[in-house]
Amino acid sequence: QEQLQQWGAGRLKPSETLSLTCAVYGGSFSAYYWSWVRQSPGQGLEWIGEINYSGSITYNPSLKSRVTMSRDTSENRVFLKLTSVTAADTALYFCARGPRGPGWFFDLWGRGTLVTVSS
Amino acid sequence: QSVLTQPPSVSGAPGQRVTISCTGSSSNLGGGYDVNWYQQLPGTAPKLLIYANTNRPSGVPDRFSGSKSGTSASLAITGLQTEDEADYYCQSYDSGLSGSVFGTGTKVTVL
Repeated sequence: QEQLQQWGAGRLKPSETLSLTCAVYGGSFSAYYWSWVRQSPGQGLEWIGEINYSGSITYNPSLKSRVTMSRDTSENRVFLKLTSVTAADTALYFCARGPRGPGWFFDLWGRGTLVTVSS
Repeated sequence: QSVLTQPPSVSGAPGQRVTISCTGSSSNLGGGYDVNWYQQLPGTAPKLLIYANTNRPSGVPDRFSGSKSGTSASLAITGLQTEDEADYYCQSYDSGLSGSVFGTGTKVTVL
């Protein structure tokens, strides 16, 4: 069964770098786009960026200067790095399959990794 | 940063019908891009509910239906059930962002 498992440091200090990994199990990796989405406490969802079949990456302009996404096709993993974090980056970070298909949707999600930024 | 606007909350009694609106602009819904809907139960990841405006993935009850017209879209839940109490988000592509955008989210309460 397809599933996404994600992990990374859950507690950071301001100015540190957030680093998360998302591993894809049970399904094709290179056939899909993969994205990161975050949700601040009590808030809505924010798309961070996506990496496509060929490895091309698109970032949300609001985070572009601080974010780096990458992938390892040999291990079916996607990575997220966010530099110079502040309290505003405290959020639940999800990896997701997509966007894809008619509608450009996200149809498979990780369980989320809570990242707290505090001094 | 959401550019898709939803009402913060809607409520209804069990068995009733509720609708959730999603209002966008010419760079997303009005530009012909499709809308998708997600249900998020407390403490869990979003779940795809409706894709490409009107389509339900396998396993989603037909109590959930979607529509889109111009710069707006709607999600309807008929025969409201207690397990439908959750947050709901619309999502589309935005050409200004060159990426995906989510709605502000709507909390559905079953009275």
